[in-house]
Amino acid sequence: GAGVSQSPRYKVAKRGQDVALRCDPISGHVSLFWYQQALGQGPEFLTYFQNEAQLDKSGLPSDRFFAERPEGSVSTLKIQRTQQEDSAVYLCASTQGASNQPQHFGDGTRLSIL
Amino acid sequence: QKEVEQDPGPLSVPEGAIVSLNCTYSNSAFQYFMWYRQYSRKGPELLMYTYSSGNKEDGRFTAQVDKSSKYISLFIRDSQPSDSATYLCAMMNQAGAGSYQLTFGKGTKLSVIP
Repeated sequence: GAGVSQSPRYKVAKRGQDVALRCDPISGHVSLFWYQQALGQGPEFLTYFQNEAQLDKSGLPSDRFFAERPEGSVSTLKIQRTQQEDSAVYLCASTQGASNQPQHFGDGTRLSIL
Repeated sequence: QKEVEQDPGPLSVPEGAIVSLNCTYSNSAFQYFMWYRQYSRKGPELLMYTYSSGNKEDGRFTAQVDKSSKYISLFIRDSQPSDSATYLCAMMNQAGAGSYQLTFGKGTKLSVIP
């Protein structure tokens, strides 16, 4: 596709359930980022991949959050034992090359934990 | 104090007005400066990307960076109702070898009234 694609667009889960969010970056893009955007706030960095290597995971808020990009293209963000404070929009972005290039964002997955 | 400060507004202007949006920052390590536009339920869309102090113009948009004052601005000339959105400033610094992190402001919600 032409842009970054994220699925599902909306996800509702009960507290304690595990969820998996998918990101399809722009074809050929090397760098991939995940962000968390709470209501009324700017996005906050979670993690960064260069190809399949996770080079920075300093923004992951707890060990319940896990991300992978096994073949260097599609990425999955997994949240285990979800809590209400995990409710947010999860955004994915990609860049063609190095991580200091302009980032192109998808429209996000809106996660609601009941 | 957050690393990036941005007045959340809301800001309401009449069509045709010049809009001025601003951010201040405290981290001297920020090297790249960006402005994103975010429509409701959409991902951030890159408007401007700058590296050095000074002005950069693109159509109706002008970005200014003053590193000595740690202050960046976005000006929108001849504002249109379609400019109504949340505007996010973002700044990037090197977080590790080959890894850059993007830090966002809270965003300013702009409404352009016809």
